[in-house]
Amino acid sequence: DTEVTQTPKHLVMGMTNKKSLKCEQHMGHRAMYWYKQKAKKPPELMFVYSYEKLSINESVPSRFSPECPNSSLLNLHLHALQPEDSALYLCASSPLYTATYEQYFGPGTRLTVT
Amino acid sequence: KQEVTQIPAALSVPEGENLVLNCSFTDSAIYNLQWFRQDPGKGLTSLLLIQSSQREQTSGRLNASLDKSSGRSTLYIAASQPGDSATYLCAVRGTDKLIFGTGTRLQVFP
Repeated sequence: DTEVTQTPKHLVMGMTNKKSLKCEQHMGHRAMYWYKQKAKKPPELMFVYSYEKLSINESVPSRFSPECPNSSLLNLHLHALQPEDSALYLCASSPLYTATYEQYFGPGTRLTVT
Repeated sequence: KQEVTQIPAALSVPEGENLVLNCSFTDSAIYNLQWFRQDPGKGLTSLLLIQSSQREQTSGRLNASLDKSSGRSTLYIAASQPGDSATYLCAVRGTDKLIFGTGTRLQVFP
């Protein structure tokens, strides 16, 4: 099973709301990633977790707060977002963070900030 | 800084044609290159992964080649079908992350 699942599929939130995105994989992968993709642009890395520890934060604003409660689950907590944060948020996983491994992506969460 | 470019940006072809999509990168110090397919508004589906020590990989009607020294990869799609219509992205893996190309939007019409 090479599936990464994400919930919700769509999310509309106001700038004062707090919401969370969820990502799950049951492939035993120890590296998990959050990407942001704006319309007609390629995905851009936001965060990397390796063995449940934050390894990379690509200078993402603090209104995005990642969390990795266990090896199968990755959350992205959202607070006080701006309209320009509207995008497709993609989660991915790989067996290890080591460069040789393939990354598997989830279907994404389409976020709209009003 | 690694830059990844894909040519052409868009392609529209009749069903049955054999296609070549191009990906070029500026820094040849990569670990691997991955080709993805993305349907509109959807996630990425991994098509092929080529390690830096490999020259090509094949999966069904897809064949990807890698020439690391010249900073190029090609994705060959044989006998294209309308179901192949999607955006194709290449991504190179450096020491810390995947860097994605700009994508090729493919439309195959009946």
